Order: sequence, then C-alpha cells, then structure tokens
Amino acid sequence: GEDVEQSLFLSVREGDSSVINCTYTDSSSTYLYWYKQEPGAGLQLLTYIFSNMDMKQDQRLTVLLNKKDKHLSLRIADTQTGDSAIYFCAEKSAGNTPLVFGKGTRLSVIA
Amino acid sequence: GAGVSQSPSNKVTEKGKDVELRCDPISGHTALYWYRQSLGQGLEFLIYFQGNSAPDKSGLPSDRFSAERTGGSVSTLTIQRTQQEDSAVYLCASSLITEGPGNTIYFGEGSWLTVV
Repeated sequence: GEDVEQSLFLSVREGDSSVINCTYTDSSSTYLYWYKQEPGAGLQLLTYIFSNMDMKQDQRLTVLLNKKDKHLSLRIADTQTGDSAIYFCAEKSAGNTPLVFGKGTRLSVIA
Repeated sequence: GAGVSQSPSNKVTEKGKDVELRCDPISGHTALYWYRQSLGQGLEFLIYFQGNSAPDKSGLPSDRFSAERTGGSVSTLTIQRTQQEDSAVYLCASSLITEGPGNTIYFGEGSWLTVV
C-alpha cells in the first residue's frame, strides 16, 4: 500500500526555523497536508498543497513540494514554544480514497 | 455543530466487553472517516463513509470491529470482545466531499479507549 515517512523527533531553539520533512510513495497523490496535534487534542489542519504546486506560504509556514522526489517539507519560521506538538504529513490520491498519514514528527521547542 | 464531536472522550473497559464510540460530524458533511492512533504510532485508517455507505472497509483490523452510519450523519464504531491491543485513541473526521478542493478534513478530539 501507499506509505508516508517522517522522522520521529525534531528539537529546535525558540526563534530558530524548524523544518519537518516527509516522503511519500504514491505518485498519483493529488493533495498533501500538514496537520498539528497538541497534547491530548485532535488533529488540526495547518495547511495543504495541491500536487501541481511547488510552494505555498502562509504567515510563518512555508510548504515545499518536490513532486519528482516525492518530498514534502514544512518550514516554521521564528519557532515558538507554542509550536511544540506532533506534526503529521498526509497524502491523498485521486478518487474516493482516505488520507494516508505518516507517524508524525514530535517537535520540541527549547526556550 | 461547529466541529466534529466524539463521545465518550475517555473510556476504560474490561477486556472482553463491547464498546461503542460515537461520532457526530460537522453538519452537511457527507464523508466521515474513522482512524485509530496507538501510542507512538501514526494514524491507522479504519473505515470511511460516503453518505450511509462504506465503500472501503479494508482498514478494519478484525471482524470484532464494525461501524455504521445512519441518516447520513452520526456514526458508531463498535468493538466487540475488546482486547488490550485495542487500547488507542479513535479519531473521527468529516469532510464536505471526498474529492476535489473542498475536501478539507476536520478531526474530532478523539475517544481515548483503555482496555484493562
């Protein structure tokens, strides 16, 4: 089946940029998503990108997509302690298919 | 409602008992999804509904798991004869449709199930 891979942990200092990486195997992916999960909470959609785009910026968030390498990244500028959470990458294929998620990257922000 | 609502938020049950988890999607959302999140794991897809029908049940881990959706709204996930490995957070999500730009999926806060 399709697979989405992420590194499990990332630690950054407050004020630095964070870059969370994700790779996926489905060449027919149409949309790629980043979700944030804070402790004890559900998943919150942060941003998504269509597969025909290579970059999307939304305030402190920048998403880069390399479709050839099937690589997606999320950059958080000026990382704050409130950004500490688990970040999930997910991809969706065309048709009536569910999202496929990675295992999540736990971001720790050190003050 | 304003968001996806799940109940109970926490459930502790004895091994061998049956449990029912409920999901109330965002009003008007035709697609509804169930995922499971075990400790330290990603989200495991269980089942999704388009209206009241479930085109894809491939993710249900065993025949002890079943789900239904009535009236195109509320869904119930039932786990029979629960086992300790069923302990997880069960997340429900809904979206307006399953295809196209309107496919933003919104998650509930989950039902935390512990089997002792």
